[in-house]
Amino acid sequence: AQSVSQHNHHVILSEAASLELGCNYSYGGTVNLFWYVQYPGQHLQLLLKYFSGDPLVKGIKGFEAEFIKSKFSFNLRKPSVQWSDTAEYFCAVIGNSGYSTLTFGKGTMLLVSP
Amino acid sequence: EAGVAQSPRYKIIEKRQSVAFWCNPISGHATLYWYQQILGQGPKLLIQFQNNGVVDDSQLPKDRFSAERLKGVDSTLKIQPAKLEDSAVYLCASSVFGVLSSYNEQFFGPGTRLTVL
Repeated sequence: AQSVSQHNHHVILSEAASLELGCNYSYGGTVNLFWYVQYPGQHLQLLLKYFSGDPLVKGIKGFEAEFIKSKFSFNLRKPSVQWSDTAEYFCAVIGNSGYSTLTFGKGTMLLVSP
Repeated sequence: EAGVAQSPRYKIIEKRQSVAFWCNPISGHATLYWYQQILGQGPKLLIQFQNNGVVDDSQLPKDRFSAERLKGVDSTLKIQPAKLEDSAVYLCASSVFGVLSSYNEQFFGPGTRLTVL
């Protein structure tokens, strides 16, 4: 069965600090990968996605993620966080051939202090 | 483009009562999903429909949960009777393509927060 592991449940940073959130997945095939974000009081929104091609993908609001196939990882990065990045971040994986379901990690709560 | 709509946003019930949630997906989206998100965890798929047919309900506790998507558009999820452990946020999502598409991006609604006392 597929699974997603997010390394940190809570992260606290000061504004302008760099961010890296870890995500590892387990799946016996090729995958599509996603990072979703949930800002306080809002619904889940797609931050970025990887389907194929360049393993370094760029998303909204300056976020990027790198797919490293050999490490089964899809870590999220941002060079300089802002207070408005305070949110919960979810990594998710789905197989990209045949039938598969979207599996989420447990999420990482990011708190950015001004 | 209007997003996925859900109602109600909040619901508080006593255990053993019944409750229903409603979802209207983005217009034209073929696939509709219901997820359960318990506090401190990621969303977990309960059931997914392609048009008005159930594709996967393997994670749905069928002794108390039911769902339907009449006419392949909006959907309802029902819990009867509710248990304390059903307290969670129930998310609805939709996607353009059918479940076998490799490029299925899911769009989520705001969710219904259920508290069972």
